[in-house]
Amino acid sequence: DVKVTQSSRYLVKRTGEKVFLECVQDMDHENMFWYRQDPGLGLRLIYFSYDVKMKEKGDIPEGYSVSREKKERFSLILESASTNQTSMYLCASSFAGADTGELFFGEGSRLTVL
Amino acid sequence: GQNIDQPTEMTATEGAIVQINCTYQTSGFNGLFWYQQHAGEAPTFLSYNVLDGLEEKGRFSSFLSRSKGYSYLLLKELQMKDSASYLCAVMDSNYQLIWGAGTKLIIKP
Repeated sequence: DVKVTQSSRYLVKRTGEKVFLECVQDMDHENMFWYRQDPGLGLRLIYFSYDVKMKEKGDIPEGYSVSREKKERFSLILESASTNQTSMYLCASSFAGADTGELFFGEGSRLTVL
Repeated sequence: GQNIDQPTEMTATEGAIVQINCTYQTSGFNGLFWYQQHAGEAPTFLSYNVLDGLEEKGRFSSFLSRSKGYSYLLLKELQMKDSASYLCAVMDSNYQLIWGAGTKLIIKP
């Protein structure tokens, strides 16, 4: 069974703290993505990666960075958390050769910044 | 700009049929996706349409009209477990996904 695992389901951090969100997939997928999901808005792409050590900015990269040192792991970093980064963060992966580009999602990390 | 519109919330009765609409305006088109997301869970893939017409998969069907920028997801023989949010997403000319805000479907007994 395919699996995308996010390290923390719930986090509470203080403004200015550095936050790491980890994502691991066991499907040998080339593509990995970080989205945030907020009420009333569609998923918004923060960063994505098509290969190890590669990263591309999505629609809302400001305030975030990413790391992909290994194929199976894609980390999202908030260098200095702010209250407007309170959100649900979803990691996803996909197979580069897939006809449909179907995404496999993790269960999400709900971050609250106080 | 790019835009995906779908109703915010719909209510239907167990055993009935419901149609969830999605209209889109995007820079190019490389396919339309429907995902299901139960509260507190990961979105899961339901369907992919790239050609006009109806794709049927069990109780769920998805329709696409590229000329009208329109799709719908049809759910038949509704079950309580179908209560979830349904997300419509379009892949644009750059192969990036543009997401709608989702439709929350409430099933009543």
